[in-house]
Amino acid sequence: EAGVTQFPSHSVIEKGQTVTLRCDPISGHDNLYWYRRVMGKEIKFLLHFVKESKQDESGMPNNRFLAERTGGTYSTLKVQPAELEDSGVYFCASSQELGTEAFFGQGTRLTVV
Amino acid sequence: AQKITQTQPGMFVQEKEAVTLDCTYDTSDPSYGLFWYKQPSSGEMIFLIYQGSYDQQNATEGRYSLNFQKARKSANLVISASQLGDSAMYFCAMRGMDSNYQLIWGAGTKLIIKP
Repeated sequence: EAGVTQFPSHSVIEKGQTVTLRCDPISGHDNLYWYRRVMGKEIKFLLHFVKESKQDESGMPNNRFLAERTGGTYSTLKVQPAELEDSGVYFCASSQELGTEAFFGQGTRLTVV
Repeated sequence: AQKITQTQPGMFVQEKEAVTLDCTYDTSDPSYGLFWYKQPSSGEMIFLIYQGSYDQQNATEGRYSLNFQKARKSANLVISASQLGDSAMYFCAMRGMDSNYQLIWGAGTKLIIKP
């Protein structure tokens, strides 16, 4: 069974550009989470999908970030326009039930220069 | 508010020795879960072990065990017979109703196993 996959693994973009990160959760997992770790800081929650609905987006830093999960399958996280402080590692995770362990992807390392 | 504290930014341990990674937490939620994840240099976040707040026994998974002391609000990870491949970042995390089931993370401990 395939795990959580994220694409790309690395992305280097210039300030002001747009970047879209993709996450494919484990098949059948309704819960999908986005987290990020900015350099030198703790991992922080961004948002949580249940199927295609945003259950909790309290961690989204500002309106430059847009997450979607069309059809309740894969999810995208778009940053537009990217700023220097957006650099970090963006993790996606999925879980079958709320409260059970979440399985993580390998992360996308985003560098904004 | 929920909080996870990992007081050891880094640790060096001799191969084959046991190692304890500290984790303390703070929550007013009566029901919560505690997790440990490993992040090797390749970057992926690997789930290691889970402890529920109502579990009577400490969780164990192979060489990993969780020393859960509820009254002290600690959930230390114990790795027995450490191996070179255990070198990685280790994160303690917590989830509960107070956090709307999102994971609250500690700052992590970088563990280096010496041959």
